[in-house]
Amino acid sequence: AQTVTQSQPEMSVQEAETVTLSCTYDTSESDYYLFWYKQPPSRQMILVIRQEAYKQQNATENRFSVNFQKAAKSFSLKISDSQLGDAAMYFCAYRSALNSGSARQLTFGSGTQLTVLP
Amino acid sequence: DAGITQSPRHKVTETGTPVTLRCHQTENHRYMYWYRQDPGHGLRLIHYSYGVKDTDKGEVSDGYSVSRSKTEDFLLTLESATSSQTSVYFCAISDSKMGVNTQYFGPGTRLTVL
Repeated sequence: AQTVTQSQPEMSVQEAETVTLSCTYDTSESDYYLFWYKQPPSRQMILVIRQEAYKQQNATENRFSVNFQKAAKSFSLKISDSQLGDAAMYFCAYRSALNSGSARQLTFGSGTQLTVLP
Repeated sequence: DAGITQSPRHKVTETGTPVTLRCHQTENHRYMYWYRQDPGHGLRLIHYSYGVKDTDKGEVSDGYSVSRSKTEDFLLTLESATSSQTSVYFCAISDSKMGVNTQYFGPGTRLTVL
């Protein structure tokens, strides 16, 4: 079974600065997908960014980018020019590339609470 | 916006009573999921559906049942609620139209079992 670990329960960053959230995962599969979701106080789960394991290029979405290290099984999220609206719980998630049965489920880490200081 | 709604958004009930949560989607997605979120655990899969009348168990399915009689509705039932089922419940969809293998979530339902 796959596991996802977020070792930083809480982090803080100064507004306009850069912060990196860590995520490691354990899998025996070679093809899979990785995601970062954001959960603000509204509780809504919002997709931030996704990465296909077969792609060597790191995904980017505006101020959000990832550092995907497949051999190390590491998938960190970098937030540049942090804004007050970035304050949220961030979850890392794994999904197998297999399209059968429970392989479709997302396996989540326990989350990192990000505080943005004005 | 994946066109997902959940009802009710909040519910308080007593131990031993049946509870049904509804997930409704408007965009004809084939796959639907129910997760629960508890402190320190992230989200964990309860059940999922891969079509009308086609469902299967997830990681934490004990005490829950589901039904899907129409594409747009996926119901989660707690036959006899227990305090350990106090949680936030999220419905999700995934569909190839929106990017293969990406799940999008509804707004969540906070359930309290006294």
